[in-house]
Amino acid sequence: DGGITQSPKYLFRKEGQNVTLSCEQNLNHDAMYWYRQDPGQGLRLIYYSQIVNDFQKGDIAEGYSVSREKKESFPLTVTSAQKNPTAFYLCASRHGTGFTNEKLFFGSGTQLSVL
Amino acid sequence: AQSVTQPDIHITVSEGASLELRCNYSYGATPYLFWYVQSPGQGLQLLLKYFSGDTLVQGIKGFEAEFKRSQSSFNLRKPSVHWSDAAEYFCAVRNAGGTSYGKLTFGQGTILTVHP
Repeated sequence: DGGITQSPKYLFRKEGQNVTLSCEQNLNHDAMYWYRQDPGQGLRLIYYSQIVNDFQKGDIAEGYSVSREKKESFPLTVTSAQKNPTAFYLCASRHGTGFTNEKLFFGSGTQLSVL
Repeated sequence: AQSVTQPDIHITVSEGASLELRCNYSYGATPYLFWYVQSPGQGLQLLLKYFSGDTLVQGIKGFEAEFKRSQSSFNLRKPSVHWSDAAEYFCAVRNAGGTSYGKLTFGQGTILTVHP
C-alpha cells in the first residue's frame, strides 16, 4: 500500500541530545512537509521541501534541521537548540500542483518527549 | 499574515444530531480553505477544500462546508452525526500564490465527542 511512514512512533530525548525523526513515502510525491502539533495550538510548519536537494524554512524552523537527499525521504533532526521539543510531529507529502492536488497526505506521527 | 480561529475547543453532540463546527479566517484576498480531520494518535485526513466557485462544497463522509466571504467564515456541517465522527477537526487556510502549496495555517482544532 502507498503511504507515508513515520518512525519511531514514540521518541525520548535527553538534555543536550540531537534526535532524528524519520519520514518515508512511497507515493512518488515531490513535496514533503514537517508540521509540529501542540495541544490546543493546531499545527505549525517547521520545514518543507518542494523538490529533492531543496528545502525551505517554515514558521518555526529554529532548533530544527532537515535534509532531502532522496525523493522518498525527508528526515527531521531536533537539535539541542530546540528548548521545548515535546510535541507530536507530523510529516506530510503532496503531489504536483493545481487545485486538484491541493491535498496533504499525512503520516501517523511521532510523539517526542524530553526525559 | 493569515490566521484561522476555531472558537469552539470542544463540542459534544448526540448521535444522529446535526453538527456545525465554526471557522473564521483572516486573509486579505480569496483564500484557499480546508477542513481536515484527525483521529487520536493519527495523521490528518482531508475532508474538503474550497478556492472558488460554488460557496457550498461537499466533502467525504457526508460533510459539507459553506464559504461566507462577508463573515470570513468557512463552517463545517453534517446533518446527522455518527459515533465514528468523534475526532478532532482542523480548519486551515493558505495563500493563493503558487509558492504556497502545502503551507497551511491551521486553527487550534475542535474536539468532537459523540454521545450514543
